[in-house]
Amino acid sequence: DAGVTQSPTHLIKTRGQQVTLRCSPKSGHDTVSWYQQALGQGPQFIFQYYEEEERQRGNFPDRFSGHQFPNYSSELNVNALLLGDSALYLCASSSTGTAWSNQPQHFGDGTRLSIL
Amino acid sequence: KQEVTQIPAALSVPEGENLVLNCSFTDSAIYNLQWFRQDPGKGLTSLLLIQSSQREQTSGRLNASLDKSSGRSTLYIAASQPGDSATYLCAVTRNNDMRFGAGTRLTVKP
Repeated sequence: DAGVTQSPTHLIKTRGQQVTLRCSPKSGHDTVSWYQQALGQGPQFIFQYYEEEERQRGNFPDRFSGHQFPNYSSELNVNALLLGDSALYLCASSSTGTAWSNQPQHFGDGTRLSIL
Repeated sequence: KQEVTQIPAALSVPEGENLVLNCSFTDSAIYNLQWFRQDPGKGLTSLLLIQSSQREQTSGRLNASLDKSSGRSTLYIAASQPGDSATYLCAVTRNNDMRFGAGTRLTVKP
């Protein structure tokens, strides 16, 4: 049973460019959350997708957008990249309803994004 | 706004020692608290989840406690091993919002 998978594992971009990161949730999970983890910091919540809609959003600008597909996989898009966007981007999946209260979220290994 | 703090930021112990990692949070109205392990360059692995109605959870050599009224949680690791070396993060959840601490980087020396 595959866990949460993310692609690519590493990515290098320059300022001003756009990037798309991808996530496939664990089998049986229908909710996907995205996090940004700067070096030496804990992850920060970007947003959560359920039923192909953004259900909750953290304190991130509109440059950060996402999408969820009918098969529950998800994409994170970041436009107009800044040096400060360099981070590890983590995807986590969980099941409907009990996503936050009773079940642990399952995390992928992340995408390391470097902005030059 | 919920703030989560972990002390110490880094800890180095000899193999076999018992140790305690600390996590504090400012808003006691939480759904649950989770402890995660993160190896370098990797994602997070959930170790223990304590629901708001619970006081502690145990898994093998790990024991986590939760005191909501004081806004504190501890992760106790018994008989530490070099394989326990990693960063340990705690996270509190409320209203679909999960807030993480910055983590404690643990090194267990053989």
